[in-house]
Amino acid sequence: GIQVEQSPPDLILQEGANSTLRCNFSDSVNNLQWFHQNPWGQLINLFYIPSGTKQNGRLSATTVATERYSLLYISSSQTTDSGVYFCAVRVGETSGSRLTFGEGTQLTVNP
Amino acid sequence: NAGVTQTPKFRILKIGQSMTLQCTQDMNHNYMYWYRQDPGMGLKLIYYSVGAGITDKGEVPNGYNVSRSTTEDFPLRLELAAPSQTSVYFCASSYISRGVYNEQFFGPGTRLTVL
Repeated sequence: GIQVEQSPPDLILQEGANSTLRCNFSDSVNNLQWFHQNPWGQLINLFYIPSGTKQNGRLSATTVATERYSLLYISSSQTTDSGVYFCAVRVGETSGSRLTFGEGTQLTVNP
Repeated sequence: NAGVTQTPKFRILKIGQSMTLQCTQDMNHNYMYWYRQDPGMGLKLIYYSVGAGITDKGEVPNGYNVSRSTTEDFPLRLELAAPSQTSVYFCASSYISRGVYNEQFFGPGTRLTVL
């Protein structure tokens, strides 16, 4: 099956810093989502981005499907950005249109 | 819309007990999913459903059963709880039409401990 690799696995920032999280995938995908799992365990949809670039406030994402990677940018980070960021992909017409998740990037933003 | 709701939020089971995790969505989505998340890991698919009356296995179905009698509800049943089923369980839904896939939305999760 498809492999989804996220980097870095852990990231510690000071408030106000910028960061880039990366998601590499081993096969062509036709859909990709970024999630933020907050410290209370909730999964929050950030972006639905099979290709191209999207922005939402301080966050933006770019997916280059032909080169099999996606990037999540966080600017002017805040302590509330702490948590785990997951990339998840869907491959072709596989059963159930399920998402395959990466292992996540654990982000800690210190005041 | 409440989105995807799950009950209970937390549960402790003894080995061998059974229970049902409830999931309801009010977005009229046709596809529904159950995932589990073990500590420090991403989510893995247990079962999914493409519509009422239709279910199929995902990556890790052993020890679980599902049913889908209505569009809104997709309960997950554990028949003989084992410590390996200690995990956080997430229900999700999405709308798919004519091969056009839309994003999945997740419920708040159920934290299950089997002792």
